[in-house]
Amino acid sequence: AQSVTQPDIHITVSEGASLELRCNYSYGATPYLFWYVQSPGQGLQLLLKYFSGDTLVQGIKGFEAEFKRSQSSFNLRKPSVHWSDAAEYFCAVGATGTASKLTFGTGTRLQVTL
Amino acid sequence: EADIYQTPRYLVIGTGKKITLECSQTMGHDKMYWYQQDPGMELHLIHYSYGVNSTEKGDLSSESTVSRIRTEHFPLTLESARPSHTSQYLCASSDFGTATGELFFGEGSRLTVL
Repeated sequence: AQSVTQPDIHITVSEGASLELRCNYSYGATPYLFWYVQSPGQGLQLLLKYFSGDTLVQGIKGFEAEFKRSQSSFNLRKPSVHWSDAAEYFCAVGATGTASKLTFGTGTRLQVTL
Repeated sequence: EADIYQTPRYLVIGTGKKITLECSQTMGHDKMYWYQQDPGMELHLIHYSYGVNSTEKGDLSSESTVSRIRTEHFPLTLESARPSHTSQYLCASSDFGTATGELFFGEGSRLTVL
């Protein structure tokens, strides 16, 4: 069965600084990978996804993520963080053929200081 | 913008009460899901459905039950609530045909059992 690890529970960055959130997955084949964001009191929203092809994927709100098979990682990045990016970020992995049945990580809470 | 709605958003009830959490989507999606979310923990899939009259238990055992009589409606019921059921419950849906893996989430129902 697949699994996801998000090593950072809480990260604080200054507005304008760059951001990288880590995600490591475990799955025997090529996985489907996702990043979701959850603002306080809201449901989750898809930021970006990787199925195949180019290992650098672009998402909404200026986010990008890079799939590195050798490291089993799918880290989320943003060059310049805005205060509105403060939220909880979840990495998720889906098994091939059952992509809509996802396994989520424990999430990383991002705090942005002004 | 996703069109998936959950009611109630917040519910505080006493032990032993029967509760139903409602979830409706207007996107015509075949797949629907219920996730349980506790602070600092990953989202756990507790129920899913691939269409009308189809329901399956998820990865996390739950005393709740679900039904799928109509495509757009996927309610979750607890016959006798206990304090251990206190959690946030997130409903989601996806398009069966595309297999993109993107889930559309409702805003969640936060349940507190006293």
